[in-house]
Amino acid sequence: GIQVEQSPPDLILQEGANSTLRCNFSDSVNNLQWFHQNPWGQLINLFYIPSGTKQNGRLSATTVATERYSLLYISSSQTTDSGVYFCAETSYNTDKLIFGTGTRLQVFP
Amino acid sequence: KAGVTQTPRYLIKTRGQQVTLSCSPISGHRSVSWYQQTPGQGLQFLFEYFSETQRNKGNFPGRFSGRQFSNSRSEMNVSTLELGDSALYLCASSPGRRGENTGELFFGEGSRLTVL
Repeated sequence: GIQVEQSPPDLILQEGANSTLRCNFSDSVNNLQWFHQNPWGQLINLFYIPSGTKQNGRLSATTVATERYSLLYISSSQTTDSGVYFCAETSYNTDKLIFGTGTRLQVFP
Repeated sequence: KAGVTQTPRYLIKTRGQQVTLSCSPISGHRSVSWYQQTPGQGLQFLFEYFSETQRNKGNFPGRFSGRQFSNSRSEMNVSTLELGDSALYLCASSPGRRGENTGELFFGEGSRLTVL
């Protein structure tokens, strides 16, 4: 089945800095999603982005399906951006999401 | 539009007991899937239900089971609890179309189970 690799595993930033998180896939990209897991455990949808580029405020994402990777950009980071970011892709023809191991982001004032 | 609702949010059980968790999907969504999150194993797929039928199953022992009702609400059950079953159990819903990629999934807040 598809495998998902995320990098870096940990990221420490000072408030105001920019960052890029990466997700690599071993197979074709069809239903790629980015999530932010809040301190209470809920997975918050950031982007549904099988291809192309999307932006939402300080966050944007780009997926290059032909090269099987996706990038999440966080600009002007804030302490509230802290948490774990996951990318995930579905196995073909299923709702079975395969998650990466996550990037733990810590933003300090 | 209400989101995905999971109950209970927190629960504590002892080894050997059984537990039932509930998930109400977003109105109109017909697919419900369950995931287990532990520090050691990360987020792992348990099973997926669509129109009351289990459509996919992950690599978990038979102690883990689930079902879906006609109103798309789903329950999962874990019998003969073990210490290693302590985890955050997350439910996700999607519109779901049989035989096709189903697109974006939306998650509930999770049920945090502690087994003593």
